[in-house]
Amino acid sequence: AQSVSQHNHHVILSEAASLELGCNYSYGGTVNLFWYVQYPGQHLQLLLKYFSGDPLVKGIKGFEAEFIKSKFSFNLRKPSVQWSDTAEYFCAVLNSGGYQKVTFGIGTKLQVIP
Amino acid sequence: DVKVTQSSRYLVKRTGEKVFLECVQDMDHENMFWYRQDPGLGLRLIYFSYDVKMKEKGDIPEGYSVSREKKERFSLILESASTNQTSMYLCASSPHLGQGKYEQYFGPGTRLTVT
Repeated sequence: AQSVSQHNHHVILSEAASLELGCNYSYGGTVNLFWYVQYPGQHLQLLLKYFSGDPLVKGIKGFEAEFIKSKFSFNLRKPSVQWSDTAEYFCAVLNSGGYQKVTFGIGTKLQVIP
Repeated sequence: DVKVTQSSRYLVKRTGEKVFLECVQDMDHENMFWYRQDPGLGLRLIYFSYDVKMKEKGDIPEGYSVSREKKERFSLILESASTNQTSMYLCASSPHLGQGKYEQYFGPGTRLTVT
């Protein structure tokens, strides 16, 4: 079965620090990759997604992610975090074949200290 | 703006009760999903539906059933609620993958407590 691993479950950073959250997936076929974010008290919302083309994708609020097929990875990055980035971040994978089922990682809680 | 609405934000039920969680989306999406979200476990797929009256089991379907009689509405049913079903339940919808702009849109969640 398809699985998604997020390496860091809880990350604490000071404002202006750089962020990298790891995500690895197990599916070997064609995949579509997502990062979702859940701010405190809010809905899950899409941060960015990769379907094809340039493996470096840019999302909202200065986030970006790089798809490295050989490493089955899709790590999320931001050069300088802000207090408002405090949230839980979920990596997700959709395999293109068969039923359109999305598998989520367990999430990473990011706390940014002013 | 896509809206996915869920019938209740908070729900408290007793063990053994039959529980209905309702979800409605207004974007004419083909796909609808039910997840539960638990600390340390992320989002786990319970059931999804890719068309009216069509459903597929997700990763944790035991103890749940679903109904999709209309395209915009997807219901999750707990036939006999148990305490281990205390959780946050999230509904989501999406277009079919082939339509280009695929992403899942989530509702606000229903926090269910079973006592």
